[in-house]
Amino acid sequence: SQTIHQWPATLVQPVGSPLSLECTVEGTSNPNLYWYRQAAGRGLQLLFYSVGIGQISSEVPQNLSASRPQDRQFILSSKKLLLSDSGFYLCAWSEGQGTPLHFGNGTRLTVT
Amino acid sequence: EDQVTQSPEALRLQEGESSSLNCSYTVSGLRGLFWYRQDPGKGPEFLFTLYSAGEEKEKERLKATLTKKESFLHITAPKPEDSATYLCAVGGGADGLTFGKGTHLIIQP
Repeated sequence: SQTIHQWPATLVQPVGSPLSLECTVEGTSNPNLYWYRQAAGRGLQLLFYSVGIGQISSEVPQNLSASRPQDRQFILSSKKLLLSDSGFYLCAWSEGQGTPLHFGNGTRLTVT
Repeated sequence: EDQVTQSPEALRLQEGESSSLNCSYTVSGLRGLFWYRQDPGKGPEFLFTLYSAGEEKEKERLKATLTKKESFLHITAPKPEDSATYLCAVGGGADGLTFGKGTHLIIQP
């Protein structure tokens, strides 16, 4: 069966520091991969998605970037965090069009 | 642009009191309507996919239905463990899903 791992579970970082969140998927090949952010009262916002190694599409201009160095690895990064980057970050995968997304358990990021 | 509106924002029920959650959507072409359950501090857990008007899916005390403009999640004789936030989403293309803000459901014993 397929599983998705996301870490760390919680993170507290000062403003201006770098960020790296990692997500890996097991049990499937060539999944579509996604990064979402969930803020209180605002719902889930799609940040990036990838349909293959090295292919990244950005949905929202921001202080963040994403990379997919391997088929089942998706990384969310920032060079300098802002207070507004605080939130709950969720990684997800799907098998392709018309199929549901399956989420990891998220990273709670607090920028201080 | 796809849009999803869920109502009510919050719902408090007594154990055993059945009710329905609403999800209204606007899409250029429906590729799928998805329901998720989210517990506090966790990622959303997939429940159902509906693809065409008239389709219904069931799982334990939950039943999802779909029309051309909205979907309902019916909860029959709920238990306290059904307390969670229920999310509705549309999409299913490579560019992911568009989510509503969810309905926060509390079932009191």
